[in-house]
Amino acid sequence: DAGVTQSPTHLIKTRGQQVTLRCSPKSGHDTVSWYQQALGQGPQFIFQYYEEEERQRGNFPDRFSGHQFPNYSSELNVNALLLGDSALYLCASSLGAGDSYEQYFGPGTRLTVT
Amino acid sequence: QKEVEQDPGPLSVPEGAIVSLNCTYSNSAFQYFMWYRQYSRKGPELLMYTYSSGNKEDGRFTAQVDKSSKYISLFIRDSQPSDSATYLCAMILILRGGSNYKLTFGKGTLLTVNP
Repeated sequence: DAGVTQSPTHLIKTRGQQVTLRCSPKSGHDTVSWYQQALGQGPQFIFQYYEEEERQRGNFPDRFSGHQFPNYSSELNVNALLLGDSALYLCASSLGAGDSYEQYFGPGTRLTVT
Repeated sequence: QKEVEQDPGPLSVPEGAIVSLNCTYSNSAFQYFMWYRQYSRKGPELLMYTYSSGNKEDGRFTAQVDKSSKYISLFIRDSQPSDSATYLCAMILILRGGSNYKLTFGKGTLLTVNP
C-alpha cells in the first residue's frame, strides 16, 4: 500500500518564476492538505482540498494556489517566487468525511529560491 | 502570543532515559491533540492522537493532555538512539460542523538520544 508520494524531491528556482508541486494521497484517502515548513519551524497550513474544491485556507497570499483532480491527487502552484518561499513543502492526506482527523504526510518537496 | 508554544530545544539525553516533551496552547477551542515525529529530511509521522484530558499509552510512548492548564506532554520511556528526531505537537480546531478543521503545529523539539 503506497503512502503519500510527492514530486519532485528537490527543486531550485529563481525569484519571479513559477513552480508546480505534485502530490498523490494514500490509497483510500480523498482529502489533501498542503503545508510549508521553513527551516527550524513547524509546518504552516496553506490549504486543504476535498472533492476538487478548496475547503480551508491558511494565511498565505493568492500567489499560492492549488488544484485537486478526480483521482484525488493534487498540485500546489506558487507564482512570482520570493526568496522567503524557500522551504519544505509537505502534502498530507486524510479522509474527508467522518470525525477522523489523522493526516498522513509525504516526504516533502524541498524548494530553494535563488 | 502564538497559539501553540513548544520549546525547540535541542534536547540531548543518554540512552535509556525518560524524555519529557511539552507544548502549551492559548486557544481553548482546540479539541484534538497530536504528536508527530519527523526524522531529518522526512515528512512528519503521526505518533499519538488524543481527544480528552488524561493519559494515553502506546508502547514506550505516553501522551498526556491537561485541558484546564492548556498543556500537553509526550513521555518516551527507555529512549533509544532511533528516537532521535524532531517531535512536533499539533492541535486541531474543528470548524463549521466537523468536516472542516485546521491543524496547527508547534515549532518542534529536536531530540538526540546518545548511545
